[in-house]
Amino acid sequence: DTAVSQTPKYLVTQMGNDKSIKCEQNLGHDTMYWYKQDSKKFLKIMFSYNNKELIINETVPNRFSPKSPDKAHLNLHINSLELGDSAVYFCASSGGWDSGANVLTFGAGSRLTVL
Amino acid sequence: GQQLNQSPQSMFIQEGEDVSMNCTSSSIFNTWLWYKQDPGEGPVLLIALYKAGELTSNGRLTAQFGITRKDSFLNISASIPSDVGIYFCAGLQGGSEKLVFGKGMKLTVNP
Repeated sequence: DTAVSQTPKYLVTQMGNDKSIKCEQNLGHDTMYWYKQDSKKFLKIMFSYNNKELIINETVPNRFSPKSPDKAHLNLHINSLELGDSAVYFCASSGGWDSGANVLTFGAGSRLTVL
Repeated sequence: GQQLNQSPQSMFIQEGEDVSMNCTSSSIFNTWLWYKQDPGEGPVLLIALYKAGELTSNGRLTAQFGITRKDSFLNISASIPSDVGIYFCAGLQGGSEKLVFGKGMKLTVNP
């Protein structure tokens, strides 16, 4: 059973298009995240939701809009894609601060290529 | 934002050798984590450290939470080819929900 699953794994699209990446976790975690990994492999947090509420929103263009329909899902929608959006996007989840662990479990990543 | 300085950035070693890597910060962290990322996959947790001075092992891996709470190291003993990948340190400051990552160390093991 995949703990954190995200789809699609690969996404190739043209500049200006709108695309979505979906993420689901079956770990019963309260907190979910989106991270962006650039070509130099640097991992940077974008968003975090706790029980469907936004708790971290880094300096990310408002073309990126996360949506959490329930605590097991956190989707990422990107409008008007730009070349610089090309990266690998990782979804992650954790038991949350109250659990004392706050250890992230990552999905396998979604590689977005904007042409 | 807060940054973690991870070194070295890459290492090339022979199978059977030991390897060490570390992570430092100018600020205090309450939690230090070490992750490994294989090509085409997401980072996977190797070791979690929660107390200053804590020394924890996981098979051939040993990690320590620095006594000043501003650094951590990871050692891999008797490396094998499947140890190749990118190793990330990550830290969490008190009262923060935001896990900060180092820039990663790419390990190559020659058989």
